[in-house]
Amino acid sequence: DAKTTQPPSMDCAEGRAANLPCNHSTISGNEYVYWYRQIHSQGPQYIIHGLKNNETNEMASLIITEDRKSSTLILPHATLRDTAVYYCIVRVLPGSARQLTFGSGTQLTVLP
Amino acid sequence: EAQVTQNPRYLITVTGKKLTVTCSQNMNHEYMSWYRQDPGLGLRQIYYSMNVEVTDKGDVPEGYKVSRKEKRNFPLILESPSPNQTSLYFCASSSPRERKSYEQYFGPGTRLTVT
Repeated sequence: DAKTTQPPSMDCAEGRAANLPCNHSTISGNEYVYWYRQIHSQGPQYIIHGLKNNETNEMASLIITEDRKSSTLILPHATLRDTAVYYCIVRVLPGSARQLTFGSGTQLTVLP
Repeated sequence: EAQVTQNPRYLITVTGKKLTVTCSQNMNHEYMSWYRQDPGLGLRQIYYSMNVEVTDKGDVPEGYKVSRKEKRNFPLILESPSPNQTSLYFCASSSPRERKSYEQYFGPGTRLTVT
């Protein structure tokens, strides 16, 4: 699985968009970008994933650059409940035996 | 309600006293995993299982055992716990058959302290 690089921490004002970057310069053609988050000591929660097109769901949007070497997770209107560690993970879709490998992630703090 | 349950949620034990942390899922998932989480190290996979009687080592398997005798259960066994196994443990499950097979469901976590 490709390695990812994320900033260790970010702040965002409540109600504003939170933009969380992730670098994955060694991504290969069949690897997807996944985002999970973990709210303090709870189990991680899936947010969104994509291959090369931008994706949007009820939680967030995922923007992947054309060369696929980086991506940005966007929370359009951050709330205090969005304060969490956000993990960017790159791997092929499940089908292999290995499960997700989490890095250190980005601690997002939403400020009132 | 679809969920992954773990028991106990909190456990304090002493070095060398065998313990088991149970994990159960009600979604008929084939894949199950155990992770540990330590400050500054993120989540690391301990063991995983692709189906009944099929298990394999993750990144940090030393000092742990698992078994998968039933599809829904995936217990984590510490035969002789040591203080360096003090950690927050998560069980997770997923399925390659489901439309959302990319999504892993995580349990609530078990906080283990070994003194």
